[in-house]
Amino acid sequence: QSALTQPRSVSGSPGQSVAISCTGTSSDVGFYNYVSWYQHHPGKAPKLMIYDVTKRPSGVPDRFSGSKSGSTASLTISGLQAEDEADYYCYSYAGSNTWVFGGGTELTVL
Amino acid sequence: QVQLVESGGGVVQPGRSLRLSCAASKFTFRTYAMHWVRQAPGKGLEWLAFISWDAIHKSTADSVKGRFTVSRDNSRNTLSLQMDSLRTEDTAVYYCARDFSEKYTIDYWGQGTLVTVSS
Repeated sequence: QSALTQPRSVSGSPGQSVAISCTGTSSDVGFYNYVSWYQHHPGKAPKLMIYDVTKRPSGVPDRFSGSKSGSTASLTISGLQAEDEADYYCYSYAGSNTWVFGGGTELTVL
Repeated sequence: QVQLVESGGGVVQPGRSLRLSCAASKFTFRTYAMHWVRQAPGKGLEWLAFISWDAIHKSTADSVKGRFTVSRDNSRNTLSLQMDSLRTEDTAVYYCARDFSEKYTIDYWGQGTLVTVSS
């Protein structure tokens, strides 16, 4: 149950696009199409942004998109806005009713 | 809107026990699986435990296996986490969270309760 690997931080200017990667193994990200992404503002409850690799819950802007290739998933945020500044976590099913988070990525909007 | 309210956090000495509770409302608790997740200070989120809607299936992360036990009372809409043999590294904000049925993820979270393990 090792944490998935994410970059510690990414940044971008308003209007730009950024991508956050999430690398796992053939036992989690690489095996299951059950990758999710959460947005977490400190002191608040995390918010589900993407599930099943590419799907957005209702209410999540289509500026947020997800993808996966092999054992690496990615979250792309286009048209960056100030309110997107937050921590982002990937999350994958790992089999036998266990799950694993990524280490988290701090997004800074310049 | 789904509501999950954790309670039971506080300061506890190493080696002691603590029981967290999560009161669920505004959804049919008895039909949903649930999770516990924590976040240590300055660290990322860590999945801890899962319990199926009927409590038949349970699982815990290796980091807490044998020390933490998840349970639920569907008659009281309550999820619990019994934490024994606490260590300083268990200091964290503990969240209860609702399983997003058949999607193998979490859709709603509580606000969390802080547990500090310190002598």
